[in-house]
Amino acid sequence: GQNIDQPTEMTATEGAIVQINCTYQTSGFNGLFWYQQHAGEAPTFLSYNVLDGLEEKGRFSSFLSRSKGYSYLLLKELQMKDSASYLCAVLSNDYKLSFGAGTTVTVRA
Amino acid sequence: GAVVSQHPSWVICKSGTSVKIECRSLDFQATTMFWYRQFPKQSLMLMATSNEGSKATYEQGVEKDKFLINHASLTLSTLTVTSAHPEDSSFYICSARLDRENSEQYFGPGTRLTVT
Repeated sequence: GQNIDQPTEMTATEGAIVQINCTYQTSGFNGLFWYQQHAGEAPTFLSYNVLDGLEEKGRFSSFLSRSKGYSYLLLKELQMKDSASYLCAVLSNDYKLSFGAGTTVTVRA
Repeated sequence: GAVVSQHPSWVICKSGTSVKIECRSLDFQATTMFWYRQFPKQSLMLMATSNEGSKATYEQGVEKDKFLINHASLTLSTLTVTSAHPEDSSFYICSARLDRENSEQYFGPGTRLTVT
């Protein structure tokens, strides 16, 4: 089975940094994705980690530690448009995605 | 590239009727498509995996006779919700994958189903 945990909500100020943690216990592992989802819309791809370490892409970075079953998504220089739900998803050995419940990030002026 | 469309974007139907949702990969051929359901303030739950030319594989707890999936071509998969009930009201999202070795899934914009 799959068990993916992430915080329910986070609030931060415009221009600040926020780190969203994700821990997972899965029966197989083929990589970890982070998606952004605005209310009523489909998820959009942010990052993919399959090896340990940090992947940086503009204002967003994602980190993975396979031995610890841990990942985080780092959002820097927060903007109002970053207010959304952020989903951590693990790809299993049979290439199916299992999603966490999502973290709602609210950016305040 | 890698655009996935869904139709309709929203639909309202009466209890007991059936509704068909289409998922199309517009600029690539998808050997595998996935159907997800998302209830308000919850995450996406995989319902079934659809492979072109073969029967869909349903996740535990999903009724295959109620949620009919057809993947007749490499660019089209359909989900039919039969005998819909108000509890089937949800956001249905499909995704498509190029091939088994390609891990990324491309998501459609979703279909909001409301059953009255």
